[in-house]
Amino acid sequence: GNSVTQMEGPVTLSEEAFLTINCTYTATGYPSLFWYVQYPGEGLQLLLKATKADDKGSNKGFEATYRKETTSFHLEKGSVQVSDSAVYFCALIPPTGTASKLTFGTGTRLQVTL
Amino acid sequence: DTGVSQDPRHKITKRGQNVTFRCDPISEHNRLYWYRQTLGQGPEFLTYFQNEAQLEKSRLLSDRFSAERPKGSFSTLEIQRTEQGDSAMYLCASSPRGGPQGVELFFGSGTQLSVL
Repeated sequence: GNSVTQMEGPVTLSEEAFLTINCTYTATGYPSLFWYVQYPGEGLQLLLKATKADDKGSNKGFEATYRKETTSFHLEKGSVQVSDSAVYFCALIPPTGTASKLTFGTGTRLQVTL
Repeated sequence: DTGVSQDPRHKITKRGQNVTFRCDPISEHNRLYWYRQTLGQGPEFLTYFQNEAQLEKSRLLSDRFSAERPKGSFSTLEIQRTEQGDSAMYLCASSPRGGPQGVELFFGSGTQLSVL
């Protein structure tokens, strides 16, 4: 079946540090890949997405590249801020699926300190 | 844009009681989803509506769970005879009509259910 594996958290960084959150997936064919973010007390928000191999999704300084060779979609940001503290979820939709087929990872909590 | 709203934010109930949650999607969105999230896990799909039609239900949705979207606007999720294992965050999401892939879901803040 389809699955998403994320690095366990929490990840604690100082402000302006470089961020990487690893995400790998298992799926048949080429799924669409997503990163969602959940700020404290709020619902999940789409951060970025990539729908085909080698695509790079980017938003708010975050980037992730769809790597079919390594079945990965790692999230990166060059300089994190305290306001980036949140839980980050990697997710996929299989190639023939709809949004009802969204499969999420377990989430990675990021804590950024001054 | 008022976003997706869910009510209540928190619900504490005793085992065996019935509970009902409400979700108001973004007004122009015709698709509505319910997900369940337990501590330390990602959200899991429960059910999906397009307008008033319930098009898909997960195997996670036992006979004690029922969802409705009577006029294609708001939706309710009812859990009958609650069990402690039902304790979770229940998330609602909506999306506009669009292609099957890359579609963005807009999530509400969720209803946290605690069954004592």
